Amino acid sequence: QSVLTQPPSASGAPGQRVTISCSGSSSNIGSNNVNWYQQVPGTAPKLLIYTNDQRPSGIPDRFSASKSGTSASLAISGLQSEDEADYYCAAWDDSLNGFVFGLGTNVAIL
Amino acid sequence: EVQLVESGGTVVQPGGSLRLSCAASGFKFESYSMEWVRQVPGKTLEWVSLISWGGLTTYYAGSVEGRFTISRDNSRNSLYLHMRSLTSEDTAIYYCTKAARQLSLRAAADSWGQGTLVTVSS
Repeated sequence: QSVLTQPPSASGAPGQRVTISCSGSSSNIGSNNVNWYQQVPGTAPKLLIYTNDQRPSGIPDRFSASKSGTSASLAISGLQSEDEADYYCAAWDDSLNGFVFGLGTNVAIL
Repeated sequence: EVQLVESGGTVVQPGGSLRLSCAASGFKFESYSMEWVRQVPGKTLEWVSLISWGGLTTYYAGSVEGRFTISRDNSRNSLYLHMRSLTSEDTAIYYCTKAARQLSLRAAADSWGQGTLVTVSS
């Protein structure tokens, strides 16, 4: 069981919007930044969002994220076939003195 | 261009030891903290360990504390993970990652290697 809770799956038709939630606690999301990673099957993870809502260069603005209290969310708008992947949230945990990841959410394009 | 190339993954017997290496290039290695993250194929990501840019500060996941040692050689732009007392639960792809910000311990990982597979099996 992961410290950060994500739904196992999400789906949407091309062009639609999908939202993925990530629930934590006061020791991780509640007091530290949240990062999001995208992993296409068979490849290494890629940083999608850092410091709660910042996109690295090269990440399209279709991807957005927010944090409130002990929860965070990632939104993908204008879904495209290339967005089919696993998405992980992560945050530093002050109690564990290390990073924790969610179990991941598999996004499928209908 | 940032490049992280892991090596050292292989099949090892339970109770055995192994050292993973990560060769870094394309950035000022001595200014960034580095981490190891592992993933059982088909499963979630698990953070393993972090080392500060100068090597003085290290953190470990509870599952590897006391068995794994992270180290770095800034003169060789290299990161290492020394693993001992390995069990089947350590079987995973091990990724080397770089922090997104200089001189920061808790930054996101903005670059990942391709991973190296460690299989613990008799």
